[in-house]
Amino acid sequence: GAGVSQSPSNKVTEKGKDVELRCDPISGHTALYWYRQSLGQGLEFLIYFQGNSAPDKSGLPSDRFSAERTGGSVSTLTIQRTQQEDSAVYLCASSSQNANTEAFFGQGTRLTVV
Amino acid sequence: GESVGLHLPTLSVQEGDNSIINCAYSNSASDYFIWYKQESGKGPQFIIDIRSNMDKRQGQRVTVLLNKTVKHLSLQIAATQPGDSAVYFCAERYGNNRLAFGKGNQVVVIP
Repeated sequence: GAGVSQSPSNKVTEKGKDVELRCDPISGHTALYWYRQSLGQGLEFLIYFQGNSAPDKSGLPSDRFSAERTGGSVSTLTIQRTQQEDSAVYLCASSSQNANTEAFFGQGTRLTVV
Repeated sequence: GESVGLHLPTLSVQEGDNSIINCAYSNSASDYFIWYKQESGKGPQFIIDIRSNMDKRQGQRVTVLLNKTVKHLSLQIAATQPGDSAVYFCAERYGNNRLAFGKGNQVVVIP
């Protein structure tokens, strides 16, 4: 596709359930980022993938959060045993290996834990 | 480092006035900087960028200024319009093609 695609766009889940959020980056982009954004707040870094390098997981808030990127393309962010404080918009972005190019964001997945 | 979720500072500006949004970046080795605009319910979108070998770059109604001495970046919006109401993020690129984002500033345009 032409841009970064995230699915689902909205997800309502019950507390304690697991959820998977998907990100399809722009084809050929080697870098992929996941961010979390609570209402009215800034971007909270979660995880960064760059090519075949080990991902930077330093932003994941707890061991309930994990992410993988298969084949250097699609990424899945998994939240286990969801809690109400996990409710937020989860944004994915990708960028190319070329220097001096911006990252492109998806529209995000709005997660609501009830 | 990366931004942490905090309530955003807000800049209120009268329609037609100029806006200035400031950003302090963290890494002196950063060589590329970007401003993003995020409208309600959407993902951040690119506005303008600047390389570290420049100190000013102009786009349509927007100007980015870079002061590497004090690690400061600013975005100027001329003749602010209601459609400029959004959250604005700066980003720096350093090491291994990595982007790091600032905390963001909410701009509210008063008609």
